Amino acid sequence: SQQGEEDPQALSIQEGENATMNCSYKTSINNLQWYRQNSGRGLVHLILIRSNEREKHSGRLRVTLDTSKKSSSLLITASRAADTASYFCATDEGSNYKLTFGKGTLLTVNP
Amino acid sequence: DAGITQSPRHKVTETGTPVTLRCHQTENHRYMYWYRQDPGHGLRLIHYSYGVKDTDKGEVSDGYSVSRSKTEDFLLTLESATSSQTSVYFCAISESRDRAFFGQGTRLTVV
Repeated sequence: SQQGEEDPQALSIQEGENATMNCSYKTSINNLQWYRQNSGRGLVHLILIRSNEREKHSGRLRVTLDTSKKSSSLLITASRAADTASYFCATDEGSNYKLTFGKGTLLTVNP
Repeated sequence: DAGITQSPRHKVTETGTPVTLRCHQTENHRYMYWYRQDPGHGLRLIHYSYGVKDTDKGEVSDGYSVSRSKTEDFLLTLESATSSQTSVYFCAISESRDRAFFGQGTRLTVV
C-alpha cells in the first residue's frame, strides 16, 4: 500500500480563497515533500519539510508537519486559477532514499 | 530544468511482448526512480536505484525488472506486457535528497 494518503481527493475553490490539503503517512520518515502536477506533465517540487521541523513557508505556501500524528498539511493562500493542478505529498524512507507518493489532491481554482 | 529524458514518449504494444523504457539523465544524480501513474492510484513506486547496479523494489514491482549499468541510464523492462501494465510511466532523479526531478512521462498502452 502507498505510504502517503492525501485528503481531500478533490477540492474546488474560488480565486482568492485559501486551499488546504492534508497528507497522512504510515512509517518513520526522513523528510516530507510536496509536489505539483499540471495535467499530463511531470511532477514539480514545491517544498520540503524535514522531520525535525514543524512549519515551513515559501511564498504563498505553508507546510506543517506533525510527526506524532504522522501527518502534514499544505496551505496555499490567496489561490489563483493558475494553481489548478494535482498536489502530492512524498515521503523519504530509509537510508537509500526510497521516495514514495500518495494518491494526490486535485485542486480546481475557479476564476 | 533537470536534464532527464524518457524514451519512448508513447508506445503501443501487444500483450505478451517485452518492452523496455529508458530513462536518461545528464545530471549525474545518484538516485533514480520509476513510477507508474493510474487514475485513482496516484504515483506508485515500481523500482528505484541508489547507485550503479544498486536497485530495490517499490510497492508494485511484480512484472517489472530494472537495470542500471551506468549512472545516466535506468531501464525499466516489462518482460511480458499485460493489459494491467497500461499506464503512464514516470522516471525521476535526485541527488540531494531534498527534491526529485521528473521526466515528461511515457504513455504505454498494452493491447
